[in-house]
Amino acid sequence: DAGVIQSPRHEVTEMGQEVTLRCKPISGHNSLFWYRQTMMRGLELLIYFNNNVPIDDSGMPEDRFSAKMPNASFSTLKIQPSEPRDSAVYFCASSLETGDYEQYFGPGTRLTVT
Amino acid sequence: GENVEQHPSTLSVQEGDSAVIKCTYSDSASNYFPWYKQELGKRPQLIIDIRSNVGEKKDQRIAVTLNKTAKHFSLHITETQPEDSAVYFCAASNSGGYQKVTFGIGTKLQVIP
Repeated sequence: DAGVIQSPRHEVTEMGQEVTLRCKPISGHNSLFWYRQTMMRGLELLIYFNNNVPIDDSGMPEDRFSAKMPNASFSTLKIQPSEPRDSAVYFCASSLETGDYEQYFGPGTRLTVT
Repeated sequence: GENVEQHPSTLSVQEGDSAVIKCTYSDSASNYFPWYKQELGKRPQLIIDIRSNVGEKKDQRIAVTLNKTAKHFSLHITETQPEDSAVYFCAASNSGGYQKVTFGIGTKLQVIP
C-alpha cells in the first residue's frame, strides 16, 4: 500500500481565497483524522471520521473550516475564506479503527496564507 | 475530555547518554498510550505503545513505563544516537467507543554528537 496520500504537498494562497486539502486513507482503514500542526499549539486534532461519518468536530477552529468524507477512500478539508493565521502543516491520518489503533500519517500539506 | 501534559518541551543530551520524557494524563478511562516520533520535515510515526495491563515495555533502546495510579507514563531512550534527534509526542486514548487519541505538546530532543 502507498500509505496515506495527501495533496497538495504545498499550498500558497492569498488571504480570502478558498483552500481545499485532500486525503486518501490507507485502504481498509475505517477511521480518518485531520490534524493541524504549528509551533505554538503542537498537533491539534481538527475532526475525525469513522466509516465516513464525522464523529467529533469540536477541534474545528471556526465555521470557515469544513471537512467531508464522501466515501471510504477520500476526504477533504476546506478553508473558506482563508486567513494568515491558518498557515500551518495539515496532516491527515488513518487507522483501522478509532481508539487504541496505530495512526498512519500522511506527508502533510504545508499551507501558507499571505 | 482527556488532557495530556508533556515535559520537557526541549531536551539536549550528549550522544550515548539517556533521555527521559514524561507525560501525565487526566482521564482514568484511558488505557492506550502510544509514542510518536517526528523527524524534521517528516510525518509523525509510531515508535512504541503501551496498554494499561502492563507497566513497562521495551524495544531495543527505547522503553516506556506506565503508572496508572499516578496517571503518568514515560519514554526512556538509552545510548542515544544523533538519529534519535526528533520531536517526540506522547498520547493517550482508550479502546471504548469512538475514542480519539489526545496528543501531548511534544518534546524536541537534540542529541549532541
